[in-house]
Amino acid sequence: DAKTTQPPSMDCAEGRAANLPCNHSTISGNEYVYWYRQIHSQGPQYIIHGLKNNETNEMASLIITEDRKSSTLILPHATLRDTAVYYCIVKGWNTNAGKSTFGDGTTLTVKP
Amino acid sequence: NAGVTQTPKFRVLKTGQSMTLLCAQDMNHEYMYWYRQDPGMGLRLIHYSVGEGTTAKGEVPDGYNVSRLKKQNFLLGLESAAPSQTSVYFCASTDGDRGTYEQYFGPGTRLTVT
Repeated sequence: DAKTTQPPSMDCAEGRAANLPCNHSTISGNEYVYWYRQIHSQGPQYIIHGLKNNETNEMASLIITEDRKSSTLILPHATLRDTAVYYCIVKGWNTNAGKSTFGDGTTLTVKP
Repeated sequence: NAGVTQTPKFRVLKTGQSMTLLCAQDMNHEYMYWYRQDPGMGLRLIHYSVGEGTTAKGEVPDGYNVSRLKKQNFLLGLESAAPSQTSVYFCASTDGDRGTYEQYFGPGTRLTVT
């Protein structure tokens, strides 16, 4: 699985969009980009994943660059409850028994 | 639909004691995982299972054993607890049939070994 790089921390004003970047320059053609978040001491929560097209669900949008070497998770209207550690993970389709490596992630702080 | 549940939520053990952590999922997922998370750090995979009756080692398996006798349950055992095993333990599951692996996590078990 390809390695990812994320900034250690970011701030965002409440009500504004939060844009969290992730670099994955060694991503392979069959590898997906996954995003999770961990609020305080709770279990991580799956947010979204994508291969090459942009994806949107009720929680967030995922924008993947055309060369697939980086992506951005967008929380369109951040609230205080979105304060959490956000993890970007790259994983191949149907490989490695689904095991995922969670790095240090980005700590997003949403401020009033 | 409870998702992934973990029992107990908190536990304090003395060095050398044993215990079993229970993970249960009601989503009919094939794959299940046990992670540990030490303060200020990311998750590390202990053991995992790709189906009933099968288990495999993860990144940090030493000092732990697991069993998957039923598809919905995944047990993590500590035979002789050590202070280094003080951590938060998370269980997760995923449906591997579609080839993509979004994992669903339980709320965690906070274990302190004195």
